[in-house]
Amino acid sequence: EVQLVESGGGLVKPGGSLRLSCAASGFNVNNYYMNWVRQAPGKGLEWVSSISSNSRYIYYADSVKGRFTISRDNAQSSLYLQLSSLRVEDTAVYYCARDLRMVALDSWGQGTLVTVSS
Amino acid sequence: EIVLTQSPGTLSLSPGGRATLSCRASQSVSSSYLAWYQQKPGQAPRLLIYGASTRATGIPDRFSGSGSGTDFTLTISRVEPEDFAVYFCQQYGSSPMYTFGQGTKLEIK
Repeated sequence: EVQLVESGGGLVKPGGSLRLSCAASGFNVNNYYMNWVRQAPGKGLEWVSSISSNSRYIYYADSVKGRFTISRDNAQSSLYLQLSSLRVEDTAVYYCARDLRMVALDSWGQGTLVTVSS
Repeated sequence: EIVLTQSPGTLSLSPGGRATLSCRASQSVSSSYLAWYQQKPGQAPRLLIYGASTRATGIPDRFSGSGSGTDFTLTISRVEPEDFAVYFCQQYGSSPMYTFGQGTKLEIK
């Protein structure tokens, strides 16, 4: 069974930093692009970042470019998102999601809540 | 950037009814890159349809997708109690990689 489990969320002040983790199991992560998607409270879904299976290709939404850094450790079956220079508008549930051949996102974690507030 | 607009914002139906949800793109989208998700309160989204019409693993056949170009539709032939949720369409592009519609809420009438 495919499982994605996020952790690392919490309350942080504007300008602060946080590192999110996603532990994957039930499939070979070496074969998949992985993504982060966020959802502000009561709002829709916003794609944040993607990383190729070998970390060679990395993409970011304009809203987070230069502030967030995606990475992965295939040996540990883990995905990461380093959040820096956080803003109030970054408050959201952050989901880790597996990529289905760059067409859709076929497995999602339960999400981790990041709250940016003074 | 392609913008996806979903309608209606809220759809009120009784169980057993037929649900038709629309997703309109601001410019033409390849059918291969159009997907639909279901999200229930407090849960992560679940992939229902990809490639505009292919059901994801384990999705009941009462869910179907259709459309091409700029107009896509998700149909639930007979709504079950567990189908009341929010539905999002999504397209894959170059930048940003994924964009989502704002969602349609299917609620019990």
